[in-house]
Amino acid sequence: DAKTTQPPSMDCAEGRAANLPCNHSTISGNEYVYWYRQIHSQGPQYIIHGLKNNETNEMASLIITEDRKSSTLILPHATLRDTAVYYCIVRVADSNYQLIWGAGTKLIIKP
Amino acid sequence: GAGVSQSPSNKVTEKGKDVELRCDPISGHTALYWYRQRLGQGLEFLIYFQGNSAPDKSGLPSDRFSAERTGESVSTLTIQRTQQEDSAVYLCASRRGRMDTEAFFGQGTRLTVV
Repeated sequence: DAKTTQPPSMDCAEGRAANLPCNHSTISGNEYVYWYRQIHSQGPQYIIHGLKNNETNEMASLIITEDRKSSTLILPHATLRDTAVYYCIVRVADSNYQLIWGAGTKLIIKP
Repeated sequence: GAGVSQSPSNKVTEKGKDVELRCDPISGHTALYWYRQRLGQGLEFLIYFQGNSAPDKSGLPSDRFSAERTGESVSTLTIQRTQQEDSAVYLCASRRGRMDTEAFFGQGTRLTVV
């Protein structure tokens, strides 16, 4: 079973910040939070990952709560091309680094 | 190539036939994964290869499914005696190694069993 909980869908206006929540209340201390997205008919694309500290890259920011039980992915200025399914994944802490995928959040950016 | 390449991109097969799906990982990537994605659902882990270690086959749904990889190169996923429930997109991903790095996905093979 997936170790994360995400809302099934969200809308966001173009140009606004999109904030995607994720709950991972059973996360272990050495497990990372990964975010991927999947645009229609394409393979998943890596966005960002983090352990404890907030992270930022050219695509997004990741905010992880102090107790690590939840996180938020922030797309600062959403565009129509950001419409996709966004997956929040907790990495299993063993040697194969298997990712367990849930159903994700369908983010629709509206003009 | 620059990315993970999968072939064919689409495959339609008759129930009971065998199919073979191919994945060319990014050069130098030691880790390779196969996933299955049914329509509207998340990814299901199938199998994982890491270098010359024994593969993790824990996600294979039945003995009709098998996969091979020679060294750190091409991998093939074989489904024998296909069933309609095997219809899905089969995704391959590769990763540089055991370090904490991202996985790169191919575009997938859409398998339809009729």
